[in-house]
Amino acid sequence: EAQVTQNPRYLITVTGKKLTVTCSQNMNHEYMSWYRQDPGLGLRQIYYSMNVEATDKGDVPEGYKVSRKEKRNFPLILESPSPNQTSLYFCASKKGGGTDTQYFGPGTRLTVL
Amino acid sequence: GESVGLHLPTLSVQEGDNSIINCAYSNSASDYFIWYKQESGKGPQFIIDIRSNMDKRQGQRVTVLLNKTVKHLSLQIAATQPGDSAVYFCAENNNAGNMLTFGGGTRLMVKP
Repeated sequence: EAQVTQNPRYLITVTGKKLTVTCSQNMNHEYMSWYRQDPGLGLRQIYYSMNVEATDKGDVPEGYKVSRKEKRNFPLILESPSPNQTSLYFCASKKGGGTDTQYFGPGTRLTVL
Repeated sequence: GESVGLHLPTLSVQEGDNSIINCAYSNSASDYFIWYKQESGKGPQFIIDIRSNMDKRQGQRVTVLLNKTVKHLSLQIAATQPGDSAVYFCAENNNAGNMLTFGGGTRLMVKP
């Protein structure tokens, strides 16, 4: 089944403790992206990647890192999480740039205490 | 399921009626627009899209209208069903398709 998977689905952590949220897609998509979703703000793009070893900042990249060493994986790294990063995170992928349909993962609920 | 928003505008319709969800976008240079549906506990799901050289596009039970003059987008759902209950987001495609900017979302509630 074609899908985007994220792990973990739920995470509670404390301020300053490094964490990684993994994202994987099995559709051989070149483009991958991370979003955060907060009440009343919709989804905001954190980082995106056009292909392996190519990453770019989205609208809200501060406090996050990403890497794209393999085509299928696009982990989101929080080196020193803070409470304002408590949010619902979505990974997405699409075949290429332009107007290809973007497929979203199921989401990761992160709480930073 | 996951909560997607506590302060979303809500549209409540009777089952079988038509629904119209509106969205204002910000960037007059955006050339591609998408509507997504998000059910509780799930990620956004593509519904329909439209390019800026069109003003109307129809799918199965859904129609998207684009008014570039006033930067307005609408989603019409015909014969709304309980399964249509969800949060609906419009999104505009920027930066040659590399970035999506989402609207705040509208919660659609369908009364049986």
